[in-house]
Amino acid sequence: DAGVIQSPRHEVTEMGQEVTLRCKPISGHDYLFWYRQTMMRGLELLIYFNNNVPIDDSGMPEDRFSAKMPNASFSTLKIQPSEPRDSAVYFCASSLAGQGIAYEQYFGPGTRLTVT
Amino acid sequence: GEDVEQSLFLSVREGDSSVINCTYTDSSSTYLYWYKQEPGAGLQLLTYIFSNMDMKQDQRLTVLLNKKDKHLSLRIADTQTGDSAIYFCAEPMDSNYQLIWGAGTKLIIKP
Repeated sequence: DAGVIQSPRHEVTEMGQEVTLRCKPISGHDYLFWYRQTMMRGLELLIYFNNNVPIDDSGMPEDRFSAKMPNASFSTLKIQPSEPRDSAVYFCASSLAGQGIAYEQYFGPGTRLTVT
Repeated sequence: GEDVEQSLFLSVREGDSSVINCTYTDSSSTYLYWYKQEPGAGLQLLTYIFSNMDMKQDQRLTVLLNKKDKHLSLRIADTQTGDSAIYFCAEPMDSNYQLIWGAGTKLIIKP
């Protein structure tokens, strides 16, 4: 398996622009997580899905952030409008309940977002 | 509420042992985890321990669990430059399928 795939790997955009981050989870996994990592705040869970349904979005910073999972093999995280404080590395992770090591999450390589 | 705490930095000399510590709050956790994040990469499960164990050894890695004190440690023997990474302690939030993450300990290797 190719693992969790994220695109783009790097994104530089200007304040006010819309940013869309993409994630393809490992085939067959039923949980998908979006995280944000910064030096100041560490690793933060933004939202997670189970079987394509959002379960907990309490970590989404504000209404400028939205996430969708239209099918089991694709998810997006959108920021509109973007602000400099959104600059961070955004990770997508997936897992499969009931198999292997419980709760093990498989992380993508991340998208480094810079908003100028 | 649930919380996982760990120090932010650890500096050791190459060849020495590294010990990374973590405290957690949920005494009902069935598993506890150590994830490793190498520079420019995502996190990857390094090792884990069941809550009914006190110790788990895997080659150069030793995990110690003190349930009474809710203390977890990761010992890396003969630390190498390739061990330079951020190490995250994590416990499951049993009410759902999330993990609660520590802040991560950056391991710095001195030559």
